[in-house]
Amino acid sequence: EAQVTQNPRYLITVTGKKLTVTCSQNMNHEYMSWYRQDPGLGLRQIYYSMNVEVTDKGDVPEGYKVSRKEKRNFPLILESPSPNQTSLYFCASSLSPSSYEQYFGPGTRLTVT
Amino acid sequence: RKEVEQDPGPFNVPEGATVAFNCTYSNSASQSFFWYRQDCRKEPKLLMSVYSSGNEDGRFTAQLNRASQYISLLIRDSKLSDSATYLCVVNTGTDKLIFGTGTRLQVFP
Repeated sequence: EAQVTQNPRYLITVTGKKLTVTCSQNMNHEYMSWYRQDPGLGLRQIYYSMNVEVTDKGDVPEGYKVSRKEKRNFPLILESPSPNQTSLYFCASSLSPSSYEQYFGPGTRLTVT
Repeated sequence: RKEVEQDPGPFNVPEGATVAFNCTYSNSASQSFFWYRQDCRKEPKLLMSVYSSGNEDGRFTAQLNRASQYISLLIRDSKLSDSATYLCVVNTGTDKLIFGTGTRLQVFP
């Protein structure tokens, strides 16, 4: 089954404690991205990757890191989480960002206290 | 001005009604347009792409008006299961997609 998986689905953590949210896709997609969704603000792109070892900042990259060492995986790293990073996070993949369907993971609900 | 703007709603309509949403975009160089559906706290899923000539998929019709820079989504014969948030998505010709904040639809019996 074609899918994007994220882990964990729910996470409550404390300020400053490093965390990683994993994302994996089994569709051999080149394009992957991370979004956060907040009430009234919609989906905002954090980082995206056009291919292995190629990543770029989205609209709200501050406080986040990513890596793309393999095509299928695109982890999101919060080195020192802060309460303003409390949000719903989605990973997505597609053949390209322009004309093809974006497949989203189920989401990770993160709370930073 | 936001790059992609939508009326947040909610649009409360009875079953069987016809409802239409608009979405405006600011970048005239935008190339690709989509409607996604998002159920509460779930991931967005593609509803339909929007082509220059307009396209229809069952009860759903999407239209693009480049001159006025907006896209529309028309839902005919609304079902209870159509209740969701509808996201307008625009590709401006770069490597990024811009998502609208969504329009919430609530269909009641």
